[in-house]
Amino acid sequence: AQSVTQPDARVTVSEGASLQLRCKYSYFGTPYLFWYVQYPRQGLQLLLKYYPGDPVVQGVNGFEAEFSKSNSSFHLRKASVHWSDWAVYFCAVKGVGYKLTFGTGTSLLVDP
Amino acid sequence: DAGVTQTPRHEVAEKGQTIILKCEPVSGHNDLFWYRQTKIQGLELLSYFRSKSLMEDGGAFKDRFKAEMLNSSFSTLKIQPTEPKDSAVYLCASSPADFYEQYFGPGTRLTVL
Repeated sequence: AQSVTQPDARVTVSEGASLQLRCKYSYFGTPYLFWYVQYPRQGLQLLLKYYPGDPVVQGVNGFEAEFSKSNSSFHLRKASVHWSDWAVYFCAVKGVGYKLTFGTGTSLLVDP
Repeated sequence: DAGVTQTPRHEVAEKGQTIILKCEPVSGHNDLFWYRQTKIQGLELLSYFRSKSLMEDGGAFKDRFKAEMLNSSFSTLKIQPTEPKDSAVYLCASSPADFYEQYFGPGTRLTVL
């Protein structure tokens, strides 16, 4: 069965520093992958999506992610973090049919 | 386009009450999902509709949780009777036909006393 692992429950970075949030997936075949962000008291917002093709995908607000089949990974990156990026980030993989399987999330804290 | 809307945003119920949560998906979307979100369990799928047909009713949630989709633009989630362990955020999401990404509403925060 498909699964997603986000190994870091919490990541702290300084404002202006670069960011990488890790995501490892398990999926039989070619995966479809997603990153979502959840700000306090809000629902999940789609940051970016990977459909088979170019392994580097661009998202909103300067986020990008890179798909690696050999590493079974889909890490999220940002060159320069802003205080407004303080949120919880979820990685997800397409499951059976049109369902998604979500990771447990990584809380990003931004030091001013 | 309007996004997914959910009402109410907050609900407080006494143990044993019946509560109904409402969701309006993005216009034209084909699939609708109900999730429960807690810190301990994370996101749990409760129900999944495709073109108004119930595809999955959440297994362990079947006995007290009932989702319905009477038309393509409105869905409800009924919890009857409520228990304190049902305290959580309930999220509704929709997705367009033939795509996998889901678009989420703001959620309803339920507190059961």
